[in-house]
Parts: sequence; C-alpha cells; structure tokens
Amino acid sequence: EAGVTQFPSHSVIEKGQTVTLRCDPISGHDNLYWYRRVMGKEIKFLLHFVKESKQDESGMPNNRFLAERTGGTYSTLKVQPAELEDSGVYFCASSQDSGRGRTGELFFGEGSRLTVL
Amino acid sequence: AQSVSQHNHHVILSEAASLELGCNYSYGGTVNLFWYVQYPGQHLQLLLKYFSGDPLVKGIKGFEAEFIKSKFSFNLRKPSVQWSDTAEYFCAVLRVTGGGNKLTFGTGTQLKVEL
Repeated sequence: EAGVTQFPSHSVIEKGQTVTLRCDPISGHDNLYWYRRVMGKEIKFLLHFVKESKQDESGMPNNRFLAERTGGTYSTLKVQPAELEDSGVYFCASSQDSGRGRTGELFFGEGSRLTVL
Repeated sequence: AQSVSQHNHHVILSEAASLELGCNYSYGGTVNLFWYVQYPGQHLQLLLKYFSGDPLVKGIKGFEAEFIKSKFSFNLRKPSVQWSDTAEYFCAVLRVTGGGNKLTFGTGTQLKVEL
C-alpha cells in the first residue's frame, strides 16, 4: 500500500514567488493534515481537512497560504507570495476516522522542504 | 495555550547505553500521547501511543514510554540503544476534549548513537 506522498521534496524559490506543494494521502483516508517545521523548532499544525472540507485552519500563518482539497483526494498548499520566514519543511499527514469524531494514527509523508531566498 | 516540552535537544550515547527522553505537556484535561521518530532521510513514523489503560506502553523496536498523569509526563525509554536508533524523536499530544484532532508536537530530540 502506498504511503503519503508529497511533491516536490525540495523547492528553492525567491522571495515574492509562488510555490505549490502537493500531498497525496493514503487512499481511503478522509483526514488530511498539513504541518510545518521551521528550522530547529517544533512541528506546528497548519490545518486539517475532512474529505474536501476544512475542519480546522487555525494554524495557517496568514492569507498568503491557501490550502485546497478538491474532491477530497489530494491536497495542495500554495504560498503566494513567499517570504523568507516561510522556509521550512512542510509535512502532510493522513488518517482514517477512528470513530466518535476522533482521528486514528497519523501517517506522515516525507515532507517538502521549502527554501525562500 | 497548550505546549509540549522536550527537555533534551541533542543526546549522544554509546551503543548499549540506556535512553530516557523527557516529555512534559501543559494541558490539564484528557490527552492522548504519542512518540514519533524520524530516521535520517525518512518520514515521521509512530513509535508508540497512549490513549488509556496501562500507563506503561510498549512500542516498536524495544521502546517504551510511561504516562505519569500527576507529572504531566510521557517519557520515552529504551534499556539498550543501538546505532540504528540514531534519529530525531518527537513527543506529541492530542487533546481529547476541546482540542480538535490536531497534534501538538515538542521541538524534537536529536539522538546520536555512537559505536
């Protein structure tokens, strides 16, 4: 069974440019999460989709970040325009619903490293 | 705001040494607790988890963790580390009530095991 896949694995862009990160969750997983780790700091929650709906986007840093999950399958995270402080590793994770509204184990992708120069 | 503290940022051990990585959290309600590991060049993967029941949980590769509710702690242990345990370890907490379904992670502990 394929795991969570993310693309690209590494992106280097200049300040002001746009980048789109993609995440393909494990097939059948309704829950999809985006997390970010800035160098040396903790992995921080960005947002949570349940199917195509945004369940919680409280972690999104600002309106330069836009996440979508059309059709409830893969998700994209667009940063436009990118700033220096957006550099970091963006992790995607997916999980099944374990019932009673709680998520099951999260399966993570390898992350997309973003470097903004 | 809920926080998760990992006290050791970098740990260096020799093979066969015992390991204990500290994790404390600040939320007072019911929580689910996790340890994740990221081996070099690989994705984050679950080592072990605590939802309820026996506070001593056993995970993969000989790791275990003990939930001590009174201390808000969930320390990770392994009696005898191997070179292959070199990795970064993350403690994570899920608030069962009022926290949605999002994990809050600690800053991670980089473990290096020397031969």
